[in-house]
Amino acid sequence: QLVESGGGLVKPGGSLRLSCAASGFTFKNAWMNWVRQAPGKGLEWVGRIKSKTNGGTTDYAAPVKDRFIISRDDSRNMLYLQLNSLKTEDTAVYYCTTEYGYCSSTTCHYYFYMDVWGKGTTVTVSS
Amino acid sequence: NFILTQPHSVSGSPGKTVTIACARSRGNIANDYVHWYQQRPGSSPTTVIYEDNQRPSGVPDRFSGSIDSSSNSASLTISGLKTEDEAVYYCQSYDATNAVFGGGTKLTVL
Repeated sequence: QLVESGGGLVKPGGSLRLSCAASGFTFKNAWMNWVRQAPGKGLEWVGRIKSKTNGGTTDYAAPVKDRFIISRDDSRNMLYLQLNSLKTEDTAVYYCTTEYGYCSSTTCHYYFYMDVWGKGTTVTVSS
Repeated sequence: NFILTQPHSVSGSPGKTVTIACARSRGNIANDYVHWYQQRPGSSPTTVIYEDNQRPSGVPDRFSGSIDSSSNSASLTISGLKTEDEAVYYCQSYDATNAVFGGGTKLTVL
């Protein structure tokens, strides 16, 4: 289960930190993604963080690169999305998702298959 | 990066079959898996097809996926349409470091 929180109303240029509480699976092994959906629009991938055993590295979509930061706290089963320099076009519902890994005894492969989604948290950027 | 293009809307009558296409602008569609998600109003997306043509448990076999290299596109086919299938469907694929979603197709069951 994934439960997002931290959304709210923020002014352009402001910051916000979203959280995603994970339960029911081994979070430290999970690759996690953030996906957003602007009002009345489609889904937009925001970014991903790999598990620490896979380097814990992050990838971001071009519109948010250098403004958003994804992090994780495996001891607390928590995923975070730090939103900085917010723009009105960042207004959206933000979902956290797990990314399914196909694992053998020695390695796992990932194909951006987002198999579990939270219910989302709403961010509104407006003056 | 590349773009996935879907029709804005499709419609069908109960019991009929509809197909939703997803065209990839650059790169070979067959090289990277395509996943399909269903989103009903007010709900989070759920998977109907993953890895081009695999159904998660609980998804009826009325849902099927395929890849067509000649048109560099993927398709989601829903047969035996039911009113509960009315939703927006998104295709999704990826490259080395980015996921990409199609714009979504609204399915109306008339």
